Amino acid sequence: SQQGEEDPQALSIQEGENATMNCSYKTSINNLQWYRQNSGRGLVHLILIRSNEREKHSGRLRVTLDTSKKSSSLLITASRAADTASYFCATDVRYSTLTFGKGTMLLVSP
Amino acid sequence: GAVVSQHPSWVICKSGTSVKIECRSLDFQATTMFWYRQFPKQSLMLMATSNEGSKATYEQGVEKDKFLINHASLTLSTLTVTSAHPEDSSFYICSARMAGLNTGELFFGEGSRLTVL
Repeated sequence: SQQGEEDPQALSIQEGENATMNCSYKTSINNLQWYRQNSGRGLVHLILIRSNEREKHSGRLRVTLDTSKKSSSLLITASRAADTASYFCATDVRYSTLTFGKGTMLLVSP
Repeated sequence: GAVVSQHPSWVICKSGTSVKIECRSLDFQATTMFWYRQFPKQSLMLMATSNEGSKATYEQGVEKDKFLINHASLTLSTLTVTSAHPEDSSFYICSARMAGLNTGELFFGEGSRLTVL
């Protein structure tokens, strides 16, 4: 069953703009992870934020986590055309499996 | 490092035949491997969790006799779709949890696209 729900389902922006994607989940988690998937390819791990962390940065990525609202956001700053992909949040509940959200399709136009 | 290889990357087969997909961790040992199924423009649905040397744990609704999973070594897991039918056509993705790495991060293969005619 789905644990995370991302919004928006699709996002279209211009190069240089920032992209923000949100993820909500239902149960308590150990950590939340964001992955990227190019069309027809496997997933690439972007960033992991633990349940006791509120914000984390990695390059142009900024992730926040609000456990009281059971939500997370992924911000990509100064987006590039190469950032075009689907982005998924995944929740780690049992330290054994990940449950993925439905994803946000991001299109960055030159 | 941390490369997971899936093979084949795409396969077309006739209805009723069986197809085997391999998932290998190339430069690390994987105590646990996961098999996901993804329909076009949808999320990944966990099918089963396999631990080296033991039987796979299947998610509710996934037929274990239909999707045979073998995890014979710390670097190889296989998924066999038996008596495949057109509705089994999908994108199958494996992922691996690295032994000794407790971050929770998974490493994914590139996926295998199965088309059943």
